[in-house]
Amino acid sequence: AQTVTQSQPEMSVQEAETVTLSCTYDTSESDYYLFWYKQPPSRQMILVIRQEAYKQQNATENRFSVNFQKAAKSFSLKISDSQLGDAAMYFCAYRSGTGNQFYFGTGTSLTVIP
Amino acid sequence: DGGITQSPKYLFRKEGQNVTLSCEQNLNHDAMYWYRQDPGQGLRLIYYSQIVNDFQKGDIAEGYSVSREKKESFPLTVTSAQKNPTAFYLCASSIGSRFGYEQFFGPGTRLTVL
Repeated sequence: AQTVTQSQPEMSVQEAETVTLSCTYDTSESDYYLFWYKQPPSRQMILVIRQEAYKQQNATENRFSVNFQKAAKSFSLKISDSQLGDAAMYFCAYRSGTGNQFYFGTGTSLTVIP
Repeated sequence: DGGITQSPKYLFRKEGQNVTLSCEQNLNHDAMYWYRQDPGQGLRLIYYSQIVNDFQKGDIAEGYSVSREKKESFPLTVTSAQKNPTAFYLCASSIGSRFGYEQFFGPGTRLTVL
């Protein structure tokens, strides 16, 4: 099974600053998809951003962007101009291009300091 | 609005009792999933189903059972054989694997064993 590692259990950032959350994964596949999910205190999981492995261009969604390094098997999330509402648990996830299973990291708890 | 519903939001169970968690989706998704979430352990897959009348065990299926009689419904039964059932349970669904679509999540059920 694929493994997804988030090595930062907790992170903090000052409001309006930029923070980067790390994620690495282990796979022998060439076709796969990567995701970042946000889980605020309500515990509702929300998709933040999605990256296809076959695309070299890094995905961007407003203040959220990724740094996808396929050879290094790294998929970090950058949050720019951090806002109080960004405070949440963030999960990195992997999906095979040929299967229906998703593999999640253990999460990073992000605190935004006013 | 399309989405996933889980009920109840909070559930209390006495030791030795079976309990069933409900999950319904109106997104017309083929695949459905059950995850267990414990502090510091991310999301762990209990069961998943790719099609009606078919399901596969995940990493922690012992003490749980599921059924998939209808496309929109995927109930999870926590049996008395589950040693430590107190946890937060998330249901999710996804379109089939061909395009690497993300998972959509329900709001979760918090199960507490008294």
